[in-house]
Amino acid sequence: GQNIDQPTEMTATEGAIVQINCTYQTSGFNGLFWYQQHAGEAPTFLSYNVLDGLEEKGRFSSFLSRSKGYSYLLLKELQMKDSASYLCAVMDSNYQLIWGAGTKLIIKP
Amino acid sequence: ETGVTQTPRHLVMGMTNKKSLKCEQHLGHNAMYWYKQSAKKPLELMFVYNFKEQTENNSVPSRFSPECPNSSHLFLHLHTLQPEDSALYLCASSQELAGVYNEQFFGPGTRLTVL
Repeated sequence: GQNIDQPTEMTATEGAIVQINCTYQTSGFNGLFWYQQHAGEAPTFLSYNVLDGLEEKGRFSSFLSRSKGYSYLLLKELQMKDSASYLCAVMDSNYQLIWGAGTKLIIKP
Repeated sequence: ETGVTQTPRHLVMGMTNKKSLKCEQHLGHNAMYWYKQSAKKPLELMFVYNFKEQTENNSVPSRFSPECPNSSHLFLHLHTLQPEDSALYLCASSQELAGVYNEQFFGPGTRLTVL
């Protein structure tokens, strides 16, 4: 079966760095997406990786290793507004998105 | 604002009611999706429409009936639902171009409670 694993919840301190991991087992691979979802709001797109390596976009970076079935989202200089759920999703060989359950990130002052 | 709107934002209905959820996208996309989001569970893809044609139905019970009259509008018709159908229903859209699959843009969702 297809499976996406990510931690249920993480806590970090304002101004610090946090890494949210995602491991996947899917039938085929056509890219990995990270989305951010604030409570009661729509998920919004953060990043897309299809090749191995690191993609940097401001305070957020996303890394992919296809051979290990592994990705992480790195958030730097954490701000209180970064408190949200972070969803990892993999596009499989049928171009369907397979979603993880999300990681709830709590930022403390 | 993501360019995808959904109404209503909240809906409470009894098991014998019939209601409809509406989604509209203002992005010129050609694909639209319905997802179910339950607490602490992954997003569940329900239906996919590409160029108004349904291309995916992930074994969704017949009490959920989608309708896509054009590439900008998507409906989800609900009837005789069960309490376990209570969830957040998300609509999304994307632009699919000859094998290039872009990110999906989500609406704010409809919080459905079935009594």
